[in-house]
Amino acid sequence: QVQLQESGPGLVEPSQTLSLICDVSGGSISSGKYFWSWIRQPAGKGLEWIGRTYSSGYTDYSPVFKSRVTISVDTSRNQFSLKVNSATAADTAVYYCAREDLRTQGSGSSSWFDSWGQGTLVTVSS
Amino acid sequence: SYELTQPPSVSVSPGQTASVTCSGHRLGDKYASWYQRKPGQPPVLVIYQDSERPSGIPERFSGSNSGNTATLTISGTQAVDEAEYFCQAWDSYTVVFGGGTQLTVL
Repeated sequence: QVQLQESGPGLVEPSQTLSLICDVSGGSISSGKYFWSWIRQPAGKGLEWIGRTYSSGYTDYSPVFKSRVTISVDTSRNQFSLKVNSATAADTAVYYCAREDLRTQGSGSSSWFDSWGQGTLVTVSS
Repeated sequence: SYELTQPPSVSVSPGQTASVTCSGHRLGDKYASWYQRKPGQPPVLVIYQDSERPSGIPERFSGSNSGNTATLTISGTQAVDEAEYFCQAWDSYTVVFGGGTQLTVL
């Protein structure tokens, strides 16, 4: 049973970089069977997909975040990370890391998140 | 960008059937997934690829997707099903979530 755990500062000052790490246990990122994503939920709002990475270092980003987000993978440590540059109060949210199962089929592609971390609250404030 | 729309809230009596909808342009041409989220807990996948149930999810959860609307149906709704439900779809290498629906069992 794969488990994911987010870690990082719970408080970030405005204009600084928000950095989080997701540790994966019970399964190897290097297996190449899954993608690994970051998702957040601001208070009172819905879920927002930020982006994904793969064991090769491949990444996809949401157009909303693409200009100031970096997701990277470290297969030797079985973890992946998120960096959000120039953080503002609008980046205050619960951040989740999740395993994404992505399938390409004749009728199109589909993906779903079958394992999630517990989530970590990050507050951007001085 | 692609958008998914959900009603903010749905109410159901215990034992009755609850239906939560998710609307998007030609959503039936894509695959929809559904997540249940309770306060203080991470989301849990309850339906993927429109109608597939992960292991451990009760049979009372089912899904369908056609036209512009995907629907999550909970038959014989129980008090433990009270939660927020999110739909999700894949679109052009990105992921889109609906705004969420609060299901109240009363």
